[in-house]
Amino acid sequence: GAGVSQTPSNKVTEKGKYVELRCDPISGHTALYWYRQSLGQGPEFLIYFQGTGAADDSGLPNDRFFAVRPEGSVSTLKIQRTERGDSAVYLCASTAGTNTGELFFGEGSRLTVL
Amino acid sequence: AQSVTQLDSQVPVFEEAPVELRCNYSSSVSVYLFWYVQYPNQGLQLLLKYLSGSTLVKGINGFEAEFNKSQTSFHLRKPSVHISDTAEYFCAVSRGSNYKLTFGKGTLLTVNP
Repeated sequence: GAGVSQTPSNKVTEKGKYVELRCDPISGHTALYWYRQSLGQGPEFLIYFQGTGAADDSGLPNDRFFAVRPEGSVSTLKIQRTERGDSAVYLCASTAGTNTGELFFGEGSRLTVL
Repeated sequence: AQSVTQLDSQVPVFEEAPVELRCNYSSSVSVYLFWYVQYPNQGLQLLLKYLSGSTLVKGINGFEAEFNKSQTSFHLRKPSVHISDTAEYFCAVSRGSNYKLTFGKGTLLTVNP
């Protein structure tokens, strides 16, 4: 497809488990973003990649959260020792990196930690 | 740091009525301003944006917004809404072109027949 693809769409896990969420951006988009949307809130920035490197990871809440983008395309958000407070919709977005002013968002991965 | 306040969490209106969704921001530097829409079970979609130039910007589906620097506002308007406009609307700001967005909490627009 032509849009941003996120898998899984839904993930239910138990407290303490490890989780990986995958994002496949629009082909050719150099910049990739992860956001987290908790119930009743707007999306909150987590991390931003330009190419393979994390240009800004200031939004990651703690060291249980980590993200990679090894080949400059697909990205994986990794959460260790999940907690109930990690339950949220994790959104991925990409942009071509030019001054277009538009992020293209995926439909999100809904994470539920029991 | 910047912040965004969407003054109404829910706005119910009747079909064909005008609507205004309010957004105020705070920032010590110049910002870019955006409105995104999220239809049920869909991803966020850009409605319109202000980067520079004319303060009145027009977006998709007949929406428009006006950037008011003195009032630090970017209110979204539509003169006549349709049932299909029912969705959650998010105002967002960013500093510069890295598009690291700060979002408001959203306004749920419900259009009733």
